[in-house]
Amino acid sequence: DAGVIQSPRHEVTEMGQEVTLRCKPISGHNSLFWYRQTMMRGLELLIYFNNNVPIDDSGMPEDRFSAKMPNASFSTLKIQPSEPRDSAVYFCASSPTFRGVLRYEQYFGPGTRLTVT
Amino acid sequence: AQKITQTQPGMFVQEKEAVTLDCTYDTSDQSYGLFWYKQPSSGEMIFLIYQGSYDEQNATEGRYSLNFQKARKSANLVISASQLGDSAMYFCAMRLTGTASKLTFGTGTRLQVTL
Repeated sequence: DAGVIQSPRHEVTEMGQEVTLRCKPISGHNSLFWYRQTMMRGLELLIYFNNNVPIDDSGMPEDRFSAKMPNASFSTLKIQPSEPRDSAVYFCASSPTFRGVLRYEQYFGPGTRLTVT
Repeated sequence: AQKITQTQPGMFVQEKEAVTLDCTYDTSDQSYGLFWYKQPSSGEMIFLIYQGSYDEQNATEGRYSLNFQKARKSANLVISASQLGDSAMYFCAMRLTGTASKLTFGTGTRLQVTL
């Protein structure tokens, strides 16, 4: 199994530019999660999808952030315009979802380290 | 709302010794799952162990075991026979029923294994 795939692994951009992060979940997993990790705030859930539908986006910081999941094998997280405080590691994770079953862990991708200058 | 607390920002342990990483949680739900993840310096998040709230026995996975005390709402991770490769950040997380697969993470504990 390839695991969760994220691209790019590193992104350096200037303030004001648009940034798009990409994620391919594990085949067969129908839940997908976007997290952000910083020293100050730790690991934060931004948004998650179930069967390609956004379930909870309450963690999205502001309107500059948007996420899409056009199909079961691809998701994007976009920041437009980017700001220096967006600098963080962004993780994508996927998990199978079965109603009432708590057991299934989330499998994380390697993360994208974003630096906004 | 659910909450995970990890009170130890950093821990040291000597190689081959056992170490316990603390995790307490707060929820009014009766049905929940508890997870531990490891994050080495390379950055990836690695699943270690799972404990269900209705599981009667403590979970074990190789050198990892979970000391689950439901009345105290604690789910401490025990690593036996520590190895240098165990040096990493460790995160405790919780999932509730009815929240799809959403996990709530603690702030983590940095473990350093010394010679």
